[in-house]
Order: sequence, then C-alpha cells, then structure tokens
Amino acid sequence: QQQVKQSPQSLIVQKGGISIINCAYENTAFDYFPWYQQFPGKGPALLIAIRPDVSEKKEGRFTISFNKSAKQFSLHIMDSQPGDSATYFCAASLDSGTYKYIFGTGTRLKVLA
Amino acid sequence: EPEVTQTPSHQVTQMGQEVILRCVPISNHLYFYWYRQILGQKVEFLVSFYNNEISEKSEIFDDQFSVERPDGSNFTLKIRSTKLEDSAMYFCATTTGISSDTQYFGPGTRLTVL
Repeated sequence: QQQVKQSPQSLIVQKGGISIINCAYENTAFDYFPWYQQFPGKGPALLIAIRPDVSEKKEGRFTISFNKSAKQFSLHIMDSQPGDSATYFCAASLDSGTYKYIFGTGTRLKVLA
Repeated sequence: EPEVTQTPSHQVTQMGQEVILRCVPISNHLYFYWYRQILGQKVEFLVSFYNNEISEKSEIFDDQFSVERPDGSNFTLKIRSTKLEDSAMYFCATTTGISSDTQYFGPGTRLTVL
C-alpha cells in the first residue's frame, strides 16, 4: 500500500512534443505529490508538486494532473526540449508522521533535437 | 537559495571498513533524511531524524547504519562495516517539517565499496 507505481520506464520524445509520465498510488492518506528531476550524477531537484485538493497545477511548461478518485497523477511537459532529458521521479508523502517520501521507479526521458 | 550540502562527493572504501557521510542541512529545517539510490534504480528511504532522534527507519537501515547530529549543524550517516551492496548514491534531504512539504536534496555522495 506504500508503493507508487510509475510508467513508462523510458520515454523518447521529439523536440517540441509533449512528454507524459504517469504515477499511481494506493494509500489514500498520501497528501503531497512532488515530481523530481534528476540529471546524471546529481541529486533529485524539485520540479513541481501538488496536493489532492486541486486537480491540476501548472508551472511554465510543466503541468501536474491529479485524479483523486483514480489515485493517479501525471506530469506533462509541454514543448519538450533536449535540456529536459533527465530521469523524472514521482513521489508521495503522508501529511503526518515523518513525511518520508515514497518514490516511483523513475522515467528516463530523452528529447531528440 | 539555501541548499543542502554533502561531503565527500565520492568515497571509495574497502569492504568491512567504516565510512561516515556528512550533510549540512538547510538552517531552519527540522527534519532530516537519508535516502539511497543504487545505480539506475529508484530512490529509497533509509531513515528520518527529528529532534535528535530517529523518527522512522526502513528495513534497509539495519544495525550497520547509524545517524547523528554531532554538533548541531552536520547530520551524519555512518556505515560501520561496509558491504559490496552498500555501493550507491546516498542523498541527504531536509524539510521544515511543518507539514508534508518540499524536501530539498543534497547533491549526494557516491559510495563505492571494493
């Protein structure tokens, strides 16, 4: 019940296209859903995050769509650029206790020039 | 922007040796975490630390591991007797802890056990 399932494992998108990464969770007590971007050899960096009281959040080219009833959330990268090539992790956290993150398995995105 | 720092960036050690990985959290943050990422795999929770004690630990965090905040600034992860399978990137993360909130990750320490 603590798992976060992420798909696809890898994704290749043409420059200017839309990248879509999906995550699903089971624990309805999760209250915070961040997305992290990780470049090789670097630590995860927060990209965008959402709480379950909203269905969508947009920051620049990055949008999170959240479906509470389906227990799913997704990251959309509009106008994908070669510089977006990285590994993306979704995560979930409980709004109580120690706030530890449960990470998805990651999606390796490659944007072709 | 404040950031989490970690040292060393890369640690190579012989199997059975002790290693200490160091983290300097963001100054007003209250919760500290260690995560591990084996090459090419997902980031896994190891331990959380609050108010100078462990709040929660995963099954990975066995008796070989310990954490402490020895001087009020550094937050350390000690592995007493390293094994080959401890080779991974170790990330420190911190958060204000007021609610489930953004965790800021350090750049990581790459641990290689030979």
